[in-house]
Amino acid sequence: QVQLQESGPGLVKPSGTLSLICAVSGGSISSSNWWSWVRQPPRKGLEWIGEINHSGGTNYNPSLKSRVTISVDRSKNQFSLKLSSVTAADTAIYYCARMVVETAVTKGIDSWGQGTLVTVSS
Amino acid sequence: DIVMTQSPLSLPVTPGEPASISCRSSQSLLHPNGYSYLNWYLQRPGQSPQLLIYLASNRASGVPDRFSGSGSGTDLTLKISRVEAEDVGVYYCMQALQIPYTFGQGTKLEIK
Repeated sequence: QVQLQESGPGLVKPSGTLSLICAVSGGSISSSNWWSWVRQPPRKGLEWIGEINHSGGTNYNPSLKSRVTISVDRSKNQFSLKLSSVTAADTAIYYCARMVVETAVTKGIDSWGQGTLVTVSS
Repeated sequence: DIVMTQSPLSLPVTPGEPASISCRSSQSLLHPNGYSYLNWYLQRPGQSPQLLIYLASNRASGVPDRFSGSGSGTDLTLKISRVEAEDVGVYYCMQALQIPYTFGQGTKLEIK
């Protein structure tokens, strides 16, 4: 069973850059799956941020694309998120997750990290 | 973006009774491969979401058979045949057909 664990600062200053890492265990990041970031503002719904595959291919939410960078480190079996020029509206629980892709069929996000709260405040 | 609309947003249910949640999409979720790219998640209080149903009607591993998904195109439904206390939480549908993936607003299920 694959496990994902987010890590990074819980507090970021306005206009700064939010940086998170997701460590993957129990499975290889070099599989056919895609690796996603999803966020959830306090007491609100879920928003998909973007995803990356093992070879570095990425897809981003257009609403965040100008500020988001997702990268992968196969040697460490982890992937990361950077979100620049943050404001209070970026305060949220950030989840890393695995989107299962089998025989070119996308089968949903089946594994989620526990989530990490990032607060944007001075 | 594909807009996902869930109803109802609040669902009080008596234990042992059935429950149903509707999810409507602004565009058909039917892929040329014949699958509807719609997934259902349950987020229990204080927890991460968990996958219940993928590709509209397939139960994820370990999900009780009282959960079922149906529908295709733009009208999808999640049904719980007999609600139990552990089913409390917020249910989300999510489309994975088109980038950006988008979620419904969530349906909060509570026990009467």
